[in-house]
Amino acid sequence: KAGVTQTPRYLIKTRGQQVTLSCSPISGHRSVSWYQQTPGQGLQFLFEYFSETQRNKGNFPGRFSGRQFSNSRSEMNVSTLELGDSALYLCASSLNGGGGEQYFGPGTRLTVT
Amino acid sequence: GENVEQHPSTLSVQEGDSAVIKCTYSDSASNYFPWYKQELGKRPQLIIDIRSNVGEKKDQRIAVTLNKTAKHFSLHITETQPEDSAVYFCAAEGSNTGNQFYFGTGTSLTVIP
Repeated sequence: KAGVTQTPRYLIKTRGQQVTLSCSPISGHRSVSWYQQTPGQGLQFLFEYFSETQRNKGNFPGRFSGRQFSNSRSEMNVSTLELGDSALYLCASSLNGGGGEQYFGPGTRLTVT
Repeated sequence: GENVEQHPSTLSVQEGDSAVIKCTYSDSASNYFPWYKQELGKRPQLIIDIRSNVGEKKDQRIAVTLNKTAKHFSLHITETQPEDSAVYFCAAEGSNTGNQFYFGTGTSLTVIP
């Protein structure tokens, strides 16, 4: 099976712009979670989608949003970008969520200037 | 919500020695604890996990122990090799339905040949 894929791999944006990142889970996996990874804060949970519904949400402002499509592919959107949004954004998929193994994608490196 | 603390933040060992990384968690309802290895520039990879109904789990040179009463779990790597050098993250799954993982801040392990 193909692993989790993310596009694009690298992005450079300017403050105030918005960005959309995409994640394709492993075939058959229905749960997709998103994480922000920074050197200072480590891996922080953004949100989880399951069957096109947001099931869990981390402690991030409303500028961060996401959605999931019927084929389980997921997108996350960040509006009004700030310098502090520069990070590696990782998505992870699991079969059903809830105590199941998560598999990470390679990440999207976002740089905000 | 859950809070996961991880120690030490950096660890250097001689090749062949053992390495131990410890994590504590706060939510007694958490019941799934994975460990991830992240090499430089790569995605986190699941290396071992443990569920709350098990006290110890081994996989070749890697073992994880869990003490539910004390709310801490540890990763043990024996006979370390240079390719074990990486950042290791522990995580605990929150008690909400679905995948919501809380990660430790990571341990940078260096194995000196």
